[in-house]
Amino acid sequence: QITLTESGPTLVKPTETLTLTCTLSGSSIRTTGVGVGWIRQPPGRALEWLAVIYWDDDKAYRPSLKSRLTVTKDTFRNQVVLTMTKMDPVDTATYYCAHIPDYYGSGRRFGNWGQGALVTVSS
Amino acid sequence: DIQMTQSPSSLSASVGDRVTITCRASQGISTYLAWFQQRPGKAPKSLIYAASTLQSGVPSKFSGSGSGTDFTLTISSLQPEDFATYYCQQYSSYPHSFGGGTKVEIK
Repeated sequence: QITLTESGPTLVKPTETLTLTCTLSGSSIRTTGVGVGWIRQPPGRALEWLAVIYWDDDKAYRPSLKSRLTVTKDTFRNQVVLTMTKMDPVDTATYYCAHIPDYYGSGRRFGNWGQGALVTVSS
Repeated sequence: DIQMTQSPSSLSASVGDRVTITCRASQGISTYLAWFQQRPGKAPKSLIYAASTLQSGVPSKFSGSGSGTDFTLTISSLQPEDFATYYCQQYSSYPHSFGGGTKVEIK
């Protein structure tokens, strides 16, 4: 059974840097074809794709946020970390990580999702 | 960026109804299209990928079709647990954009 768990602060101040960790269980980020993506959802609004990282360290970012986002992986801990700089109240959202099970077999599609982490940006 | 447009944005239906949701891409995406269900307060759940492939464990009352720019999600017989918001997502090119969502409510 594949599970993903997001962890990080629930409250950050404007201009601060957000760091969120996604811990993967039941699948290894070192396995060929595996990837982990980040998606956010402001309260009452639609999903927004942010970034993705793959087993081979290939990465992609949302162009409008690229200057603020960094995604890395810790293969030893089987974790993926998202950092977002210069946080603003409009970045208040639930942040999800999601698993890409098999890039070669079924493309860059998401399978399992984490439960989400609500991050509020406020002074 | 590819824009994904869902219609309708919301609909009211009764238990047992057949429901169809449409998703249109601003440019061709072949069949790189996924559908997700999100119940209130919960994380999205994968239903369909590659436009028509059912995710393991998802009941066969859900079906998807389409290719290129036009796609549909059909729920053959609505049950109480199906009242939720549904999202399409293209994963043809970055950023892998989502549609605005379709909220399915009880009539």
